[in-house]
Amino acid sequence: DAGVIQSPRHEVTEMGQEVTLRCKPISGHDYLFWYRQTMMRGLELLIYFNNNVPIDDSGMPEDRFSAKMPNASFSTLKIQPSEPRDSAVYFCASSFISREAFFGQGTRLTVV
Amino acid sequence: AQKVTQAQTEISVVEKEDVTLDCVYETRDTTYYLFWYKQPPSGELVFLIRRNSFDEQNEISGRYSWNFQKSTSSFNFTITASQVVDSAVYFCALSEARLSGNTPLVFGKGTRLSVIA
Repeated sequence: DAGVIQSPRHEVTEMGQEVTLRCKPISGHDYLFWYRQTMMRGLELLIYFNNNVPIDDSGMPEDRFSAKMPNASFSTLKIQPSEPRDSAVYFCASSFISREAFFGQGTRLTVV
Repeated sequence: AQKVTQAQTEISVVEKEDVTLDCVYETRDTTYYLFWYKQPPSGELVFLIRRNSFDEQNEISGRYSWNFQKSTSSFNFTITASQVVDSAVYFCALSEARLSGNTPLVFGKGTRLSVIA
């Protein structure tokens, strides 16, 4: 299995622009998580899905953030409009029956 | 509420030394899972181990060993004969069991381990 695949690996964008991060989970996994990692806050959960349905989005910082999972093999995290404080590494992870989560390589987002 | 504390922010050791990374957790549940992940300089998060709350048996995997003690709410990780390749940030995490599915991982702040040749 190729593991969790995230794209792009790096994204540099200007403040105010829309940013879309993409994730392909491991085939057969029924949970998908979006985490954000910053020096100040560490690893924090943004949102997670079970069988493509959002279960808890209380970690999404603002209405500027949205996430979708249209099918079992694809999810997006969108930031619109982006701000410099959104700069972070965004991780997607997936798991089977809520066991250990396997993480993608992350997307390093820089908003200038 | 669940919480994971890794009090050691950074540790530096000389190659071949043993090193223990501490993890203390808080939960009101009786059924939960504990995890360790490694984040090497390349940035990915690598799963190392999962333990459930009913299994306090220590585990050894090569140079890695884990000590789970419910009495002190600790799940410590020891690397024996450390190597430069062990240099990374190590995260401890907790998940609580639910009938509807376990809660997502809650991570500690991580411990940065530097192994010097």
